[in-house]
Amino acid sequence: AQTVTQSQPEMSVQEAETVTLSCTYDTSESNYYLFWYKQPPSRQMILVIRQEAYKQQNATENRFSVNFQKAAKSFSLKISDSQLGDTAMYFCASVYSGAGSYQLTFGKGTKLSVIP
Amino acid sequence: SQTIHQWPATLVQPVGSPLSLECTVEGTSNPNLYWYRQAAGRGLQLLFYSVGIGQISSEVPQNLSASRPQDRQFILSSKKLLLSDSGFYLCAWSVGYREQYFGPGTRLTVT
Repeated sequence: AQTVTQSQPEMSVQEAETVTLSCTYDTSESNYYLFWYKQPPSRQMILVIRQEAYKQQNATENRFSVNFQKAAKSFSLKISDSQLGDTAMYFCASVYSGAGSYQLTFGKGTKLSVIP
Repeated sequence: SQTIHQWPATLVQPVGSPLSLECTVEGTSNPNLYWYRQAAGRGLQLLFYSVGIGQISSEVPQNLSASRPQDRQFILSSKKLLLSDSGFYLCAWSVGYREQYFGPGTRLTVT
């Protein structure tokens, strides 16, 4: 079974500053994917970024980047140049790439507030 | 490009009434489909998933059922709603076991 832990229930950041959200996971699988999802007040879940476990290079998507530490089972999200529209709940999630496995395991989320 | 639709967006139903929530996906074939429920301020709970027409797997025993009558259509139903069925329901799709893409959700309030 996989577990995903987000230890920061709430965080805040000044507009244009950088913030890092933490996530740790536990899995016995060797092949898996990790994701960060954003849930704004509209409550639609939006995929922010994904990381394949077999890739050593950290994924980046514009202002969003991850620090993937496989040995430490850590997967943090860095948001650069924070914008007001980044205010949302952020969920870390994992899925292992095995036949018959379809369930995303989510963390409990981090509520991020961007302050003008 | 792929699009996922859910309706209705908001629903208020009395206890004991039936429920039908619909989800459709466009722009892809044979997707995996999922129903999640999210209670206020909490994470997502997977309710059902489907890997093909007529193939439904239930993750949590409950008052709900799901059906997939067509390749890109996923329906969540209940014969008699309970107060505890209130929540935010999200449909999602994926290709295989990779990232899932979510619909806009349905806010259900059972009174």
